[in-house]
Amino acid sequence: DSGVTQTPKHLITATGQRVTLRCSPRSGDLSVYWYQQSLDQGLQFLIQYYNGEERAKGNILERFSAQQFPDLHSELNLSSLELGDSALYFCASSSGQGGTDTQYFGPGTRLTVL
Amino acid sequence: DQQVKQNSPSLSVQEGRISILNCDYTNSMFDYFLWYKKYPAEGPTFLISISSIKDKNEDGRFTVFLNKSAKHLSLHIVPSQPGDSAVYFCAGGTYKYIFGTGTRLKVLA
Repeated sequence: DSGVTQTPKHLITATGQRVTLRCSPRSGDLSVYWYQQSLDQGLQFLIQYYNGEERAKGNILERFSAQQFPDLHSELNLSSLELGDSALYFCASSSGQGGTDTQYFGPGTRLTVL
Repeated sequence: DQQVKQNSPSLSVQEGRISILNCDYTNSMFDYFLWYKKYPAEGPTFLISISSIKDKNEDGRFTVFLNKSAKHLSLHIVPSQPGDSAVYFCAGGTYKYIFGTGTRLKVLA
C-alpha cells in the first residue's frame, strides 16, 4: 500500500460526458502528479501540482483540467469525453517539488468511455 | 516522439537466472532515471534509480546500469524469482519524467 488513494476504482460513462477523478496523496506529500496509461502505452505524464500550484505540464488535453486543494487532495476533470479517453488514470505523490523525488503511485482509476 | 523506449514488450526467464530489461532514451538532458514495477490491478511501485553522473547503482538483487554514450540503461535482476513477474517501466527526466511502454517479465518456476 503506497498510501496514495484514488477514487473511484472504476468509472463507466458515455461519450460527451464529464467525470472527476479524485486523489489523496500520502500524508505529508506536497506534490501530486497525474498520469494516463492507454492500452499498450506507457505512462503519459499529464500534470503536476505542488502545494496547490501547477508545477509542470505534460501532454494534457485542453478538455482535461486539474486542481489541488488546500488539503492537498487533487481532482482531475475530464470533459467532452471521447472513446479514446478510455484508459487507466494514475495519481502519484511525492514529498518535494519533483525532480529526483520518488513518486508513490495510487492504484489507478479505470475509465471506460462507451 | 517516444523519448523513452522499451523495445521488448515481454521477457521470460527461468527462476534463478538473470533477467535483463533494457531501455533506450533519446534526450541527453535527462539527469535521472528510474525503474518502476507494476503488478496487475496495482499502481507502479518504485524499484531503483540512477543519476546521470553514475554508471551503476545496486540495491540487493537489482542493479541498474547506465551507458550515457549509447543512451541506454538496463535493469539486471539476479537471481530472478517468480515474485518478480510484473511489468517493468523505465523512466527518464529532469523535473518531469517520461515513461517507456513497459516490459512484461515472466519468471518461470
